[in-house]
Amino acid sequence: GAVVSQHPSRVICKSGTSVKIECRSLDFQATTMFWYRQFPKQSLMLMATSNEGSKATYEQGVEKDKFLINHASLTLSTLTVTSAHPEDSSFYICSASPVGTSGRGAKNIQYFGAGTRLSVL
Amino acid sequence: AQSVTQLGSHVSVSEGALVLLRCNYSSSVPPYLFWYVQYPNQGLQLLLKYTSAATLVKGINGFEAEFKKSETSFHLTKPSAHMSDAAEYFCAVSAPYGGATNKLIFGTGTLLAVQP
Repeated sequence: GAVVSQHPSRVICKSGTSVKIECRSLDFQATTMFWYRQFPKQSLMLMATSNEGSKATYEQGVEKDKFLINHASLTLSTLTVTSAHPEDSSFYICSASPVGTSGRGAKNIQYFGAGTRLSVL
Repeated sequence: AQSVTQLGSHVSVSEGALVLLRCNYSSSVPPYLFWYVQYPNQGLQLLLKYTSAATLVKGINGFEAEFKKSETSFHLTKPSAHMSDAAEYFCAVSAPYGGATNKLIFGTGTLLAVQP
């Protein structure tokens, strides 16, 4: 259980194009999904937190017009990198927190997708 | 504010040897603490979590961690390393509130190498 699917796993695009990354919780519903960016040999940096049916909350320094996040249902969130440039090349990872779970710390659990490697030429 | 510090960006052990990955945290509230493992080009997999119950937490793949409040530590151990344990390990902290505020703050990671 608790599988998060992220698609595509790898994308190469030309500078100036937009890229959409999907994050789906396959066997649970997720009230909250998170988007991270990971640079080579570095830790995960939280970009934004998205809640189903509401606007995403972006971390300081993350351009919300650049990284559009939509969380239209309890099982799907999308990240669109608009007008991508080479500096946007990175490993993007999503995670999802299940809704309706019980137990201490249950809502702090995040299940991660396998990540999307974006290369902008 | 919360933060975690992982001492040692690279740790190398021999197969069968003890694995010890260090994590120290800073938190203004009683923390929830996590260890995740990441294999190359993959997402993160939860190894174990501390949520203010038992201080010694057992996780998957034979790993365990002990929460020591006096030392603000949550070190990860495994008695005997296996080749398949070679991966990047991340310690993370969050506030025990759940919901939309349950952001995870990650450490910088420790790359574990296991020598035959």
